Amino acid sequence: GNSVTQMEGPVTLSEEAFLTINCTYTATGYPSLFWYVQYPGEGLQLLLKATKADDKGSNKGFEATYRKETTSFHLEKGSVQVSDSAVYFCALGETSYDKVIFGPGTSLSVIP
Amino acid sequence: DTGVSQDPRHKITKRGQNVTFRCDPISEHNRLYWYRQTLGQGPEFLTYFQNEAQLEKSRLLSDRFSAERPKGSFSTLEIQRTEQGDSAMYLCASSLSSLAGSEQYFGPGTRLTVT
Repeated sequence: GNSVTQMEGPVTLSEEAFLTINCTYTATGYPSLFWYVQYPGEGLQLLLKATKADDKGSNKGFEATYRKETTSFHLEKGSVQVSDSAVYFCALGETSYDKVIFGPGTSLSVIP
Repeated sequence: DTGVSQDPRHKITKRGQNVTFRCDPISEHNRLYWYRQTLGQGPEFLTYFQNEAQLEKSRLLSDRFSAERPKGSFSTLEIQRTEQGDSAMYLCASSLSSLAGSEQYFGPGTRLTVT
């Protein structure tokens, strides 16, 4: 079945450091890919998405590119801030009715 | 747009009791999803409605679980004879069906603790 694997955390970075969170997926068909973020005490929010191969999703300085050849959707940000501290979930949307399959999440802490 | 709301936000119950959670989706959204999230894990799909029709149920949804969406608006998730393993955050999400990649909007969740 469809699945998502992402790098284990927790990840701790200093402010202004470069961030990469790796994500790979297994899927039949052509799923949509998402990054969701969960800030402390808040609900899940969509951070960015890509719906087809080679699409790049971007939001709030975060980027991820849908790589079909490597089945990957790595999340990157050039300069993280303390306010980026959260749990990040890579996910794929099944094509039939957009059921979302989530990865286990990666906790990010950014220290001043 | 008031977003997706869930009630209650927290529920503590004793093993063997029944509990019911409510989800109010964004008003124009025709799709509604229930997920369960345990500590340190990503949300796991439980079930899905398109309008009032329940179109898929996960294997995770044992026969102690039942979900309804009368009139295609709010939804309820009932757990009968709760077990300690049911302790989790129950998340509701809604979306508007369209082309691929419809964004799901999540509610704040109901945290269930079974003692």
